[in-house]
Amino acid sequence: DADVTQTPRNRITKTGKRIMLECSQTKGHDRMYWYRQDPGLGLRLIYYSFDVKDINKGEISDGYSVSRQAQAKFSLSLESAIPNQTALYFCATSDWGVEAGELFFGEGSRLTVL
Amino acid sequence: DQQVKQNSPSLSVQEGRISILNCDYTNSMFDYFLWYKKYPAEGPTFLISISSIKDKNEDGRFTVFLNKSAKHLSLHIVPSQPGDSAVYFCAASAERRTGNQFYFGTGTSLTVIP
Repeated sequence: DADVTQTPRNRITKTGKRIMLECSQTKGHDRMYWYRQDPGLGLRLIYYSFDVKDINKGEISDGYSVSRQAQAKFSLSLESAIPNQTALYFCATSDWGVEAGELFFGEGSRLTVL
Repeated sequence: DQQVKQNSPSLSVQEGRISILNCDYTNSMFDYFLWYKKYPAEGPTFLISISSIKDKNEDGRFTVFLNKSAKHLSLHIVPSQPGDSAVYFCAASAERRTGNQFYFGTGTSLTVIP
């Protein structure tokens, strides 16, 4: 089983619909992140959370919200989806400390907004 | 504004030769740098990292070089193998200030030709 699991893996929806992408992890890490990948733009940070009570905006948080339901669960919501939110979304986790700071990614959730 | 830049979208190399992937950054507060590798339909996976107190870090066939004065890092793969064909992202963090908030480049697609 994957250490970082994202659901759904693929979703097609219509403009204006509410969408939730879910992420769960078994690595025991406190830090969780949501990124989106777009062609030519690389990975951009949407939101991150350093523990259950800590939520922070990333580079591109407009149009998104998150919920950290537990240490192991971090969900991303699009309250009213729009076509330019069509992208590949990745959840990631990391541990504390400088040298231990690498990210562990899920397999991605491909979202298409029509 | 892109703080981490990978100016070569793609690179092709013959099997057995050296692959050199480059990355530039603009934020002098970055003190921890990582390379990730991504295969299609998978999440990025951590490859190698370097702290700003070092100028070189090796792990098997992979070596990362950091030139702080030029704000430049590079990943060398020697010898290149067909299985190395993937998209490579560099990432940077100002760990001591923001704590594991990573900024990613746009990626370089490496093709190793058998």
